[in-house]
Amino acid sequence: ETGVTQSPTHLIKTRGQQVTLRCSSQSGHNTVSWYQQALGQGPQFIFQYYREEENGRGNFPPRFSGLQFPNYSSELNVNALELDDSALYLCASSLLTGLEQYFGPGTRLTVT
Amino acid sequence: QKEVEQDPGPLSVPEGAIVSLNCTYSNSAFQYFMWYRQYSRKGPELLMYTYSSGNKEDGRFTAQVDKSSKYISLFIRDSQPSDSATYLCAMSYNNAGNMLTFGGGTRLMVKP
Repeated sequence: ETGVTQSPTHLIKTRGQQVTLRCSSQSGHNTVSWYQQALGQGPQFIFQYYREEENGRGNFPPRFSGLQFPNYSSELNVNALELDDSALYLCASSLLTGLEQYFGPGTRLTVT
Repeated sequence: QKEVEQDPGPLSVPEGAIVSLNCTYSNSAFQYFMWYRQYSRKGPELLMYTYSSGNKEDGRFTAQVDKSSKYISLFIRDSQPSDSATYLCAMSYNNAGNMLTFGGGTRLMVKP
């Protein structure tokens, strides 16, 4: 077990709604990254948070936003949900420098 | 064209076979190369990472990088049914390897 937890496990939302996904980092890790994994695809980098600030962003629109808290846990918020947002959302914790990222089990979001 | 290409498979082999998994990439700026294993309904798990060209061995796994050809490989010796999973290659520009670019994954099935 990596120690990275995510909640909820599954979520069903309607197009246009907003959703918040949560992630608890592995102990000692100060950086959280979020990825979107569509069915049958590899994960795509959404953004990364370090010391409560966004430290990098992939090719995702502003309706994808996040937070990191002083205890290094994190939230991913998605506004105005679209059908294409249906995916597995993964968070990964790590140190800022270093290649070892530890992924959580993901939250499966279905938008209908 | 995607930055990182990976044959989706599925690749089916008998137990004990040597498995070869491959990725090609287009961006020569990638410096760090990783292989992740993802079981169904789980988050990716880091298997190995390498820097620049060369080979790296860890037990039954060998990672190989050829930067001149923009081609990376993962070899699994004496494959086991428990190796059945999706294998994802990932790449990073630097050793703050949090912003990963993944391939689409290759599904491997090892039959007893």
